[in-house]
Amino acid sequence: DQQVKQNSPSLSVQEGRISILNCDYTNSMFDYFLWYKKYPAEGPTFLISISSIKDKNEDGRFTVFLNKSAKHLSLHIVPSQPGDSAVYFCAASALVGAQKLVFGQGTRLTINP
Amino acid sequence: DAGVIQSPRHEVTEMGQEVTLRCKLISGHNSLFWYRQTMMRGLELLIYFNNNVPIDDSGMPEDRFSAKMPNASFSTLKIQPSEPRDSAVYFCASSPGRGNYGYTFGSGTRLTVV
Repeated sequence: DQQVKQNSPSLSVQEGRISILNCDYTNSMFDYFLWYKKYPAEGPTFLISISSIKDKNEDGRFTVFLNKSAKHLSLHIVPSQPGDSAVYFCAASALVGAQKLVFGQGTRLTINP
Repeated sequence: DAGVIQSPRHEVTEMGQEVTLRCKLISGHNSLFWYRQTMMRGLELLIYFNNNVPIDDSGMPEDRFSAKMPNASFSTLKIQPSEPRDSAVYFCASSPGRGNYGYTFGSGTRLTVV
């Protein structure tokens, strides 16, 4: 039972263009969402988050959009840079469950020069 | 601060052997999480602790898996006996506590059971 799904295992984008990574969830109790970035042989690192009271959160080149009615969120990276090549994980949590984060399968992003 | 430290980085073992993975938390963090990464399911939460107490172990696959937190800074994940399907990358992560989602992950242990 995959409560958080990233249906694209991989994505390839030209340097300078926009990268859009997608994530869907099934549990309506989720109210806090995060994106993590992972390089090979390293642990995931926190990138950006959004609370369910918002529909957009921006941090530099990274913007996360949340569509609660569709149970969908997306991460936009613009402009994309070679250093953005990594695996991106979407994660979700329900406040009633506090600390516990449920992660998706990950999407491997490759930025081509 | 050296971050979350996991050992070993790589482990190759034969089916049926006992495997112990180790994790040292960041000083001051009081929540500890064990995750397993596979291609099919991504990062799965196995178990997490708050103040050394196991809070949710519903992700532990079966009785062959056990986790302990003998003190505030250290945890072990044991698999006995190990099976080939246990092969994966195992991560531990720590966070400052309730309400703070700032997980810090270790670099992981790549386990191969042959």
